[in-house]
Amino acid sequence: EAGVAQSPRYKIIEKRQSVAFWCNPISGHATLYWYQQILGQGPKLLIQFQNNGVVDDSQLPKDRFSAERLKGVDSTLKIQPAKLEDSAVYLCASSSGEKLFFGSGTQLSVL
Amino acid sequence: GQNIDQPTEMTATEGAIVQINCTYQTSGFNGLFWYQQHAGEAPTFLSYNVLDGLEEKGRFSSFLSRSKGYSYLLLKELQMKDSASYLCAVSNSGYALNFGKGTSLLVTP
Repeated sequence: EAGVAQSPRYKIIEKRQSVAFWCNPISGHATLYWYQQILGQGPKLLIQFQNNGVVDDSQLPKDRFSAERLKGVDSTLKIQPAKLEDSAVYLCASSSGEKLFFGSGTQLSVL
Repeated sequence: GQNIDQPTEMTATEGAIVQINCTYQTSGFNGLFWYQQHAGEAPTFLSYNVLDGLEEKGRFSSFLSRSKGYSYLLLKELQMKDSASYLCAVSNSGYALNFGKGTSLLVTP
């Protein structure tokens, strides 16, 4: 069974630039999550989708972050414009029940 | 909101037993999870407790007391490859996981 796929694996941008991350969940998983993990900390939930609807985006900085899951499968997370403090690993996860499966993440460095 | 506390760092010797504690305060509870995360890698599932008591899975066991808001992860017969960060996470009513900051475990020879 294929796992959660994410791309790119690494991204380096300058502050105020835009960036987008892509996630393909495990086939059949209705729930998709985006997490932000700053070095030395645990992952922090940014947004949760159930199919193509948003369940929880209370911790998403909506002035600069956006996410979509138009067809209820793949998802993209965008940051525009990026700030230095956005440097982190962005993890995508999917689930069909209680257990979450994580992708390898995108490591973002904002210079 | 949720508050999840676990020690920042622990060190143990190869072959020994180590217990990593986690305390939590939550307004909704659907279960407590432990994940292992090696440096530069994604978190991987270790255990899930929704009822009080001990769940054993090979060298790893996890305990939950819902009334005390307390869990621990027990690792036996430590191996060098067990050096990693161990993340305690609580699932709320929407199944999203809220993570603690993680405990960095170093296993020494």
